[in-house]
Amino acid sequence: DAKTTQPTSMDCAEGRAANLPCNHSTISGNEYVYWYRQIHSQGPQYIIHGLKNNETNEMASLIITEDRKSSTLILPHATLRDTAVYYCIVRVAGTGNQFYFGTGTSLTVIP
Amino acid sequence: DVKVTQSSRYLVKRTGEKVFLECVQDMDHENMFWYRQDPGLGLRLIYFSYDVKMKEKGDIPEGYSVSREKKERFSLILESASTNQTSMYLCASSLVKSPLHFGNGTRLTVT
Repeated sequence: DAKTTQPTSMDCAEGRAANLPCNHSTISGNEYVYWYRQIHSQGPQYIIHGLKNNETNEMASLIITEDRKSSTLILPHATLRDTAVYYCIVRVAGTGNQFYFGTGTSLTVIP
Repeated sequence: DVKVTQSSRYLVKRTGEKVFLECVQDMDHENMFWYRQDPGLGLRLIYFSYDVKMKEKGDIPEGYSVSREKKERFSLILESASTNQTSMYLCASSLVKSPLHFGNGTRLTVT
């Protein structure tokens, strides 16, 4: 599976959009991009995933560049409850199903 | 909603003890996973299973074994606990081509 690179930490003002970047320059054509987040003392929570088209759900939007070498998770109106560690993962769907997590981005939403 | 239940939130064991960490999921998922999470290292995959009685090693299987006798239950076994196995242990499950669903973790301390 391709490796990912994320900033270690980011801040965002409450009510503003939080844009979390992820680089995955070695991604292959059949690898999906997944985003999870982990709030302190809980297990990681699935947010969204995509292959090459942009995706949106009730939690967030995922923007994947045309060359698929990077992506951005967008939380449109960040709240204090969005303070968490955000993980970007790339993997092939339906294989041995390994999900390899890195160290993620620690997002702090500031009042 | 998928529920992944880990039997203990906190566990304290002595060096050399045999330790069982239990995980149960209620959604008939084929795949189950065990990760450990340590500060600065993110989540690391220990073992995973894609079917009853099937298991595959992850990145760090040394010192661990697993058991999957029933589809809904995946056990992680520390044959002889050591202090360097003090960690947060996270269980997850998924369908073949679907995101992971995590439990809330077991924080194990080996003294």
